[in-house]
Amino acid sequence: DAKTTQPNSMESNEEEPVHLPCNHSTISGTDYIHWYRQLPSQGPEYVIHGLTSNVNNRMASLAIAEDRKSSTLILHRATLRDAAVYYCILGGSQGNLIFGKGTKLSVKP
Amino acid sequence: NAGVTQTPKFQVLKTGQSMTLQCAQDMNHEYMSWYRQDPGMGLRLIHYSVGAGITDQGEVPNGYNVSRSTTEDFPLRLLSAAPSQTSVYFCASRPPRTFFCTFGSGTRLTVV
Repeated sequence: DAKTTQPNSMESNEEEPVHLPCNHSTISGTDYIHWYRQLPSQGPEYVIHGLTSNVNNRMASLAIAEDRKSSTLILHRATLRDAAVYYCILGGSQGNLIFGKGTKLSVKP
Repeated sequence: NAGVTQTPKFQVLKTGQSMTLQCAQDMNHEYMSWYRQDPGMGLRLIHYSVGAGITDQGEVPNGYNVSRSTTEDFPLRLLSAAPSQTSVYFCASRPPRTFFCTFGSGTRLTVV
């Protein structure tokens, strides 16, 4: 499985946008980019996924670099409830989710 | 729908004891998996199943057994508990050929 690199932690102010980066220089042509997040004391939850084009949903946006070697998860207006560990994961629809350590996002009021 | 249900939520075992962590889903998902999460770490895949009667090993399978006799249930058995198995265990399921994995709320296991 291709590896991802994320910062260990990031801080944000409430109601400001947050850009969470992920590097994946060894991504293969068939790898999708998945983002999950884990709120404190809970199991992970799906956030968004994409292949080549930028993606939007009600939770977040995913911006994928043209060479696909990096991506950015964008939370448009961070809330206190968005404080969580965010995981960037590569893989296809048939494979397993292999988690790294993720980025711990803190949101300050 | 209840989603993915894990029982028990908390468990304390003595070294050498065996036990089964239960996982059930009511979404008719073919794919199910077990992860463990140690403090400050990401999740590590223990075992997974792509359908009833089919199981396979993940990243850290040693010390654990699984079986999948029905689509709904995917129990995880600890054969002889060790302190190194102290962790939070998560079960997950998803439909085939999708990325939308649903996780349970976890079982916090302490082995003393």
